[in-house]
Amino acid sequence: EPEVTQTPSHQVTQMGQEVILRCVPISNHLYFYWYRQILGQKVEFLVSFYNNEISEKSEIFDDQFSVERPDGSNFTLKIRSTKLEDSAMYFCASSSQQGPGLGAGELFFGEGSRLTVL
Amino acid sequence: GDSVTQMEGPVTLSEEAFLTINCTYTATGYPSLFWYVQYPGEGLQLLLKATKADDKGSNKGFEATYRKETTSFHLEKGSVQVSDSAVYFCALSESNTGKLIFGQGTTLQVKP
Repeated sequence: EPEVTQTPSHQVTQMGQEVILRCVPISNHLYFYWYRQILGQKVEFLVSFYNNEISEKSEIFDDQFSVERPDGSNFTLKIRSTKLEDSAMYFCASSSQQGPGLGAGELFFGEGSRLTVL
Repeated sequence: GDSVTQMEGPVTLSEEAFLTINCTYTATGYPSLFWYVQYPGEGLQLLLKATKADDKGSNKGFEATYRKETTSFHLEKGSVQVSDSAVYFCALSESNTGKLIFGQGTTLQVKP
């Protein structure tokens, strides 16, 4: 069964360093998303991406964050200068149609990348 | 703003027990409602959904009914199995841009 894959599964970094989290969405999907979950807190929407543009972003997704689809298969989340509070599990998701509202496509999530900022 | 509240976990049940995980929501419009499940070591998977009031979503023996009057979407299963042990997330969406608003998740442990 097709699946969304994420790398690395766990990354430890020093505060102020740049981090890139990588995702390979399901191959025929067109819509891509990043979510995160700080330990003990809710899963939060970060950004959605379609046709090489951001469709929607949350307040969390500030200038430190960027997303890119560099080569037609990968979808990356970059954090330019990590802070302690960026420590979280980051989930990538993709869907074949706009989702997930009325009549729309299901989001398929990866297993997550755990980021620890020291 | 929109929000989702789930019952606190962990919930520990014996095999074949009845399961209810409560979920209530606050939304300005008419959201679609979802239950996602996360098995150990895996990503979030859609379990079921309902897109309008009084709809019932069902899958793998789990059910949830969209109740607009009580703004609830409680998850139920008549007889749980050990393999149902996982974290369950209630979520809503009011848009078609992929923005899901999640509850905090409820851990279910089923003992043989």
